[in-house]
Parts: sequence; C-alpha cells; structure tokens
Amino acid sequence: EIVMTQSPATLSVSPGERATLSCRASQSVSSNLAWYQQKPGQAPRLLIYGASTRATGIPARFSGSGSGTEFTLTISSLQSEDFAVYYCQQYNNWPPWTFGQGTKLEIK
Amino acid sequence: QLQLQESGPGLVKPSETLSLTCTVSGGSISSSSYYWGWIRQPPGKGLEWIGSIYYSGSTYYNPSLKSRVTISVDTSKNQFSLKLSSVTAADTAVYYCARHQKGYDRPGRWFDPWGQGTLVTVSS
Repeated sequence: EIVMTQSPATLSVSPGERATLSCRASQSVSSNLAWYQQKPGQAPRLLIYGASTRATGIPARFSGSGSGTEFTLTISSLQSEDFAVYYCQQYNNWPPWTFGQGTKLEIK
Repeated sequence: QLQLQESGPGLVKPSETLSLTCTVSGGSISSSSYYWGWIRQPPGKGLEWIGSIYYSGSTYYNPSLKSRVTISVDTSKNQFSLKLSSVTAADTAVYYCARHQKGYDRPGRWFDPWGQGTLVTVSS
C-alpha cells in the first residue's frame, strides 16, 4: 500500500498571500496524483488531477506540480473561500487508492 | 450535471450490517468510462477508500475491509450499494459515494463528483 504524507498538518497564511502545500508518496506514483479541497460540512471537491491539470471550473490561482514521490499544491493569492482542508490522493497503485491525511489551511 | 445521493440508516448497532445506497442522476451508471466508489471519513479524520464497482459488476475492495465489504450495482435503478458487516464503533463515519474516473491503463483514477455524504453512527 502506498502511504501518502502531507505537510504541514496546519498552515496559517494571510489572505492575498501564497500558500504551498506538500504531499509525499512512500514510493513513486509517477504523475498519478490528485488534489481535493474540503470545506466544513461539505464533500471533497476535485481540484487537480495528473499532478498538474486543473479540473473543470477550478480557478487559475490553484496549481499543482511534482512527480514521482514529491508533489506541491500552490494557491497563488489566497481568497477567503480557499481556507479549507486539502487532500492528495494517488492512483498509481491499487488497491487501495490512498489519500493523505490532509492539510488544514487557516487564516493567519 | 451528474449528481450522486447517498441514502440509508444513520444509526446501526454494533455487530450488525451497515447498508447504504447511492443514486446517480443526470447520467448513466452504465457508462464505460467510470467506476463508482465508496469513501468514508471518520469524524475529524481523513478519507479512506472502501471500494469501487463497474457497471458490469467488477469490483475492487480495500484489503483492510475486504472481508466485511460487499458492493453491488443495479443498472436498472441507476444505483450502487454498500454493505459493511460486523460493524463496530470504528466504522462510525461520513460515507460518501463518488464517480471513479476510469483510465485506459487502470480501472480507477480520481473521484469526481462526490455525493454530499451521510453520517452513519455505530452505537447500541
């Protein structure tokens, strides 16, 4: 089973600033990685797939990068609606498809 | 657009079987492009994939849950269902259903969209 580790657990950033979230895989997942955003009381929403391709309707301020075992989600200029929990998920090896434990992005 | 809706009891007794159904609207569950999955999230915790099913009935299960999980599909009703047996308090979670994007080289990739989720509490 591939273990996904996200860091930091909590990230405090001011609105308008840049946020950088990390995800590490226990072994290479190539570019088979997705990112999700989850707001309180809501289901996760797909942001990024293929490590760097934005899903339909996702603003350009969200970008993903990386391959192999190291991945980054960057939010270029934080808006109030971006404060949420973010999860990465690998789909290179299965079963199981596995998620990271999440990074909570909070207002500084 | 495609919507998924979970339904089922919100309270299940320990040792009994949890049963949930996901109804798909705005699209066909018989599409060759997708699997259909179940994911759960214990209160305050992260996401755990439970299993996925293709319209033909082909399934993948999480090895950690495989002995207790059964996922089935009813194409005539555009629904798929989850059964989890011998539940304990550790199975208390929000259960989500989601469309599982199929790949040309793999059965499943990302999950999109998701249902709103349903909280299932295991308690006597």
